[in-house]
Amino acid sequence: NAGVTQTPKFQVLKTGQSMTLQCAQDMNHEYMSWYRQDPGMGLRLIHYSVGAGITDQGEVPNGYNVSRSTTEDFPLRLLSAAPSQTSVYFCASEAGGRGNEQFFGPGTRLTVL
Amino acid sequence: AQSVAQPEDQVNVAEGNPLTVKCTYSVSGNPYLFWYVQYPNRGLQFLLKYITGDNLVKGSYGFEAEFNKSQTSFHLKKPSALVSDSALYFCAVRDMMRGYGQNFVFGPGTRLSVLP
Repeated sequence: NAGVTQTPKFQVLKTGQSMTLQCAQDMNHEYMSWYRQDPGMGLRLIHYSVGAGITDQGEVPNGYNVSRSTTEDFPLRLLSAAPSQTSVYFCASEAGGRGNEQFFGPGTRLTVL
Repeated sequence: AQSVAQPEDQVNVAEGNPLTVKCTYSVSGNPYLFWYVQYPNRGLQFLLKYITGDNLVKGSYGFEAEFNKSQTSFHLKKPSALVSDSALYFCAVRDMMRGYGQNFVFGPGTRLSVLP
């Protein structure tokens, strides 16, 4: 049981480039989320999904797109990278229902030059 | 809107001493409260949660937390700290009165250093 996996672990982009951060989970969880972690700010929700084919915006969605074609996968796309998107990105999954905890991937450290 | 405060950026404690990492919260309804730990270059790991019932919750690695409704607090505690407990600790609150994308808020984190 791999849990939540993310690729790549590290990435350096130039301003204006696009890329996709991959996230997969093998726990058959309904809910999946993308967060960014910046120093002193905790985790902020970018986008989330409550099931295949259903996505919605979180607190800081601008500059990012998501899709959820399968239960397992939830990729995050950066459309045109900006230095303000330099951050550590975490994917998380959660079984549906009240009070469940989230399971986090190992993170992707992204630097935009 | 719900919020979480962790008033200390850094907590230092000697190995073997008790440790406390503080968390206070604000929600409109009944809170679901969580503690997570993050080791260097790793994702967050779940430690414990309070949903309902006994105010003292026990979790992984000997950690426990006490829910105090009147003080709106959920402090993380451990009777005897280990050097290996050194990490970044996050408190999170879920306000079940709000929809899924708006109901999970993390605090800014507290860095715990346990000194040998």
